[in-house]
Amino acid sequence: ETGVTQTPRHLVMGMTNKKSLKCEQHLGHNAMYWYKQSAKKPLELMFVYSLEERVENNSVPSRFSPECPNSSHLFLHLHTLQPEDSALYLCASSQGGATYNEQFFGPGTRLTVL
Amino acid sequence: AQSVAQPEDQVNVAEGNPLTVKCTYSVSGNPYLFWYVQYPNRGLQFLLKYITGDNLVKGSYGFEAEFNKSQTSFHLKKPSALVSDSALYFCAVRDGRNNDMRFGAGTRLTVKP
Repeated sequence: ETGVTQTPRHLVMGMTNKKSLKCEQHLGHNAMYWYKQSAKKPLELMFVYSLEERVENNSVPSRFSPECPNSSHLFLHLHTLQPEDSALYLCASSQGGATYNEQFFGPGTRLTVL
Repeated sequence: AQSVAQPEDQVNVAEGNPLTVKCTYSVSGNPYLFWYVQYPNRGLQFLLKYITGDNLVKGSYGFEAEFNKSQTSFHLKKPSALVSDSALYFCAVRDGRNNDMRFGAGTRLTVKP
């Protein structure tokens, strides 16, 4: 295990539902990330938090709302999603402050939007 | 903005043969280059990275990668492939000036016995 956990591992939701994805890192890192992984496409960086402040938001639709209450926890709140939002959502963490530090990934949440 | 290309969707090699997974990049500033591997139902695992210095970087599980600035490439290599190396491999680049890590689309490596 990488020290980054994600729950739930699988999620099926309707377009009108509201759900949240949770990520927790046990590595003492101070930067956390959300990525979207779709088949045969590059990973898409969605959000970056450094020292609990959002520093990157790559034009992600407002139906995705991140929350970082502390340096160990990261949430992705979902509401009124579309079927094209179905993907694997990966959380990662790194020791921030140096952009050459590698990221450590969780196992992901497989999201299916009906 | 930086970008990464992995020109091969799929690479097939026989066990015991050398393997190469290709990666080229584009970045304005100094590149920080990474390779990650993803096994089924798992997140990405870090293999190795290039920051500066020696162009040949050695990483986990016997993998290595060579940074070539003139060709803007960072190909992943292993002298002798194992069946257990079969997985999805991602190259990534980071411009030293920002937080944005860009990943390639991935290359599926299959090692046959």
